[in-house]
Amino acid sequence: GAVVSQHPSWVICKSGTSVKIECRSLDFQATTMFWYRQFPKQSLMLMATSNEGSKATYEQGVEKDKFLINHASLTLSTLTVTSAHPEDSSFYICSATSGGGMGETQYFGPGTRLLVL
Amino acid sequence: QQQVKQSPQSLIVQKGGISIINCAYENTAFDYFPWYQQFPGKGPALLIAIRPDVSEKKEGRFTISFNKSAKQFSLHIMDSQPGDSATYFCAASFTGGGNKLTFGTGTQLKVEL
Repeated sequence: GAVVSQHPSWVICKSGTSVKIECRSLDFQATTMFWYRQFPKQSLMLMATSNEGSKATYEQGVEKDKFLINHASLTLSTLTVTSAHPEDSSFYICSATSGGGMGETQYFGPGTRLLVL
Repeated sequence: QQQVKQSPQSLIVQKGGISIINCAYENTAFDYFPWYQQFPGKGPALLIAIRPDVSEKKEGRFTISFNKSAKQFSLHIMDSQPGDSATYFCAASFTGGGNKLTFGTGTQLKVEL
């Protein structure tokens, strides 16, 4: 149980284009989803928190107009990197939690590697 | 005050040995301390977690030791195996904090034959 999937697993795009990454909770309802960014050999950096049906809360320094987050249902959240540039190249990871019996445990997706050329 | 300090940055252990990774925190409001294991190119996977009402939790070869007064917690991997070679992250969160995790900087563990 508690499986989180991400799609795509990797994506290469041209500078200036937009890329959408999907995060799904497969066997539970995720009231809260988180989006992280991770650079090589570094820790996870929280970008934003999204709750189903409400606007995402972004961490300080994260451009909300560049990283659009939508949490339209209890099993799906999307991150759209708009007008991507090479510096946006990174490993993006989502996590999900449902509270209740799962408490505050976050279950992570497998990650999406983005390369912007 | 939100930081979680993790050490060592990297660790090499012989097969069958004990791997020990330490974390320290400042925020006394933290009340949930999970450890995650991450393999290259993969997302982190929950390994084991503890709350401050117990001083130790064991699951198989993995044990968390927790010292509330010292604000420290550690992960012990007994009988370390080459398959344990990965990056380990400690983390912390607190009730009312929206389930947001504060991560340590990570420890790259290599278990040699």
